[in-house]
Amino acid sequence: DIQLTQSPSFLSASVGDRVTITCRASQGISSYLAWYQQKPGKAPKLLIYAASTLQSGVPSRFSGSGSGTEFTLTISSLQPEDFATYYCQQSNSYPLTFGQGTKVEIK
Amino acid sequence: EVQLVESGGGLVKPGGSLRLSCAASGFTFSSYTMNWVRQAPGKGLEWVSSISSSSSYIHYADSVKGRFTISRDNAKNSLYLQMNSLRAEDTAVYYCARDLSGTGTTDYWGQGTLVTVSS
Repeated sequence: DIQLTQSPSFLSASVGDRVTITCRASQGISSYLAWYQQKPGKAPKLLIYAASTLQSGVPSRFSGSGSGTEFTLTISSLQPEDFATYYCQQSNSYPLTFGQGTKVEIK
Repeated sequence: EVQLVESGGGLVKPGGSLRLSCAASGFTFSSYTMNWVRQAPGKGLEWVSSISSSSSYIHYADSVKGRFTISRDNAKNSLYLQMNSLRAEDTAVYYCARDLSGTGTTDYWGQGTLVTVSS
């Protein structure tokens, strides 16, 4: 199985900050990586797929990059509504796997 | 508007069974691979199972293989998860999620249904 490791697991930031979350895969997954945002009590929301493609309706302050084993999610200017938990997920092969999550909290 | 509505969750004793359903609307259900993803209380996301549009391809997580069965009825726009031999560690919110054009990425999710396995 492909393991995904996110760092950091917890991040404290202020509105307007640039935030970067990293996801490392235990083996190469080409660009088969997605990023999700989840708020408490809600279902996850797709932000980025194919490593860098922005899902329709997602603000352009979100961006993704990487390929192979290292990927990043960047929020260029953190907004109040962005405080949430973020997950990466690989779709290179079954079983599909998720990272452990990165919780972004208000500083 | 794409809508996925799960039902069938509840409290069940260890060893018991439960069948989850997901009613889909707002898209051509028969054209999409569908997934079940779960989240234990306070924990991260765990993929459970996937079924292709015509049910030709089915995959399960090792943690549920042999106990859970995914199925679909394209005529009824419905997805199912039959869960047998339930364990305490199966306690979670179970989400039905649409696959983005067979990519393994899930673009729409239901609101989830809570399954609690406890004596």
